[in-house]
Amino acid sequence: DQQVKQNSPSLSVQEGRISILNCDYTNSMFDYFLWYKKYPAEGPTFLISISSIKDKNEDGRFTVFLNKSAKHLSLHIVPSQPGDSAVYFCAARPLRWTSGSRLTFGEGTQLTVNP
Amino acid sequence: GAGVSQSPSNKVTEKGKDVELRCDPISGHTALYWYRQSLGQGLEFLIYFQGNSAPDKSGLPSDRFSAERTGGSVSTLTIQRTQQEDSAVYLCASSLVERSYNEQFFGPGTRLTVL
Repeated sequence: DQQVKQNSPSLSVQEGRISILNCDYTNSMFDYFLWYKKYPAEGPTFLISISSIKDKNEDGRFTVFLNKSAKHLSLHIVPSQPGDSAVYFCAARPLRWTSGSRLTFGEGTQLTVNP
Repeated sequence: GAGVSQSPSNKVTEKGKDVELRCDPISGHTALYWYRQSLGQGLEFLIYFQGNSAPDKSGLPSDRFSAERTGGSVSTLTIQRTQQEDSAVYLCASSLVERSYNEQFFGPGTRLTVL
């Protein structure tokens, strides 16, 4: 069963506009959420995270929103740039250490930002 | 500074052969993780090591998969009697301390193709 789902395999936006990537989760044990960006032939790189005590975290052009009641989070990129074109993975983990800190990932969304 | 490195970057093997994949984590990182990404799928957790503790092997898909971490540093993932469904990108990640908010740093991965 897929505990973290990214229902959109791809997203295309124009440079300068907003990119919104969505992620849903089912496991209520998840308390900490991360977004990773992956370029071809490279490993994923950490982008931004949010813990369940917050509903928003912002870092420059990147903002992550968390709706715990809906078990939904989203990543907003404003303004989008062609260099943002990559696969974006949503990941989650529980904060209870007995469960370990391994990450559960979504399938990824390929973002393409057109000049 | 040096990131997580993995070797080989690509491996093509015949069904039934054994393969070894290597991961060199970031120096000083005590936690090490293996994930794999099959085509069209998200990253799937395989195993993690933390210091001298017994590894969490709960993600290994079968007993053909095993991993070692020698001296708390380099790790080797071994797949015996490879099958075509083992074809995937195998990613290694490390983090400073397992029980923390520290994000995991990923290597570039090893693309395994089983013919």
